[in-house]
Amino acid sequence: KAGVTQTPRYLIKTRGQQVTLSCSPISGHRSVSWYQQTPGQGLQFLFEYFSETQRNKGNFPGRFSGRQFSNSRSEMNVSTLELGDSALYLCASSLDGGPGANVLTFGAGSRLTVL
Amino acid sequence: QQQVKQSPQSLIVQKGGISIINCAYENTAFDYFPWYQQFPGKGPALLIAIRPDVSEKKEGRFTISFNKSAKQFSLHIMDSQPGDSATYFCAASIQGGKLIFGQGTELSVKP
Repeated sequence: KAGVTQTPRYLIKTRGQQVTLSCSPISGHRSVSWYQQTPGQGLQFLFEYFSETQRNKGNFPGRFSGRQFSNSRSEMNVSTLELGDSALYLCASSLDGGPGANVLTFGAGSRLTVL
Repeated sequence: QQQVKQSPQSLIVQKGGISIINCAYENTAFDYFPWYQQFPGKGPALLIAIRPDVSEKKEGRFTISFNKSAKQFSLHIMDSQPGDSATYFCAASIQGGKLIFGQGTELSVKP
């Protein structure tokens, strides 16, 4: 069973640019969550999508957005990049409904460097 | 109230020893407490998880101890091995998949 696939794995952008990151969840998983990981702030929740609808949102500015497609694949976008957006962006997928809803499987992440 | 506090920040243990990492929370609405293990260059991987109606859960060398009244839980790694060297995160969540993570503990197991 394939795991959670994130692309690209590494990317470098400059301030003011925008970036789109992609996540393919485990087959059959309907929920996709995104997290930002930095040395200073640790792992912070960005948002969660289920059935193409944003179900939960963290405390990030509106420059951070996401979407989910009908095949459960998800993308997140960061516009007007700032130096502080340099981070590892992690996608996690899960089944939904019942006790399994909170078991998240993470991808390897997309490491974004903003110069 | 949404925070999960984790300690220590780093831990060095000799091979064969016991590694203990502690976490504390405030929000009594949390109903799921997982531990994740992360190796460099990889995403976090679920190690073991517990719900608040259970005081202890053991899977192989890994044990979670849960103290509901104290709002604390801990991870014990018995017979620690060099391959256990990684960063460990405790977390807590309420239904819906949003995880609140602790700051992480970097474990180094010396041969």
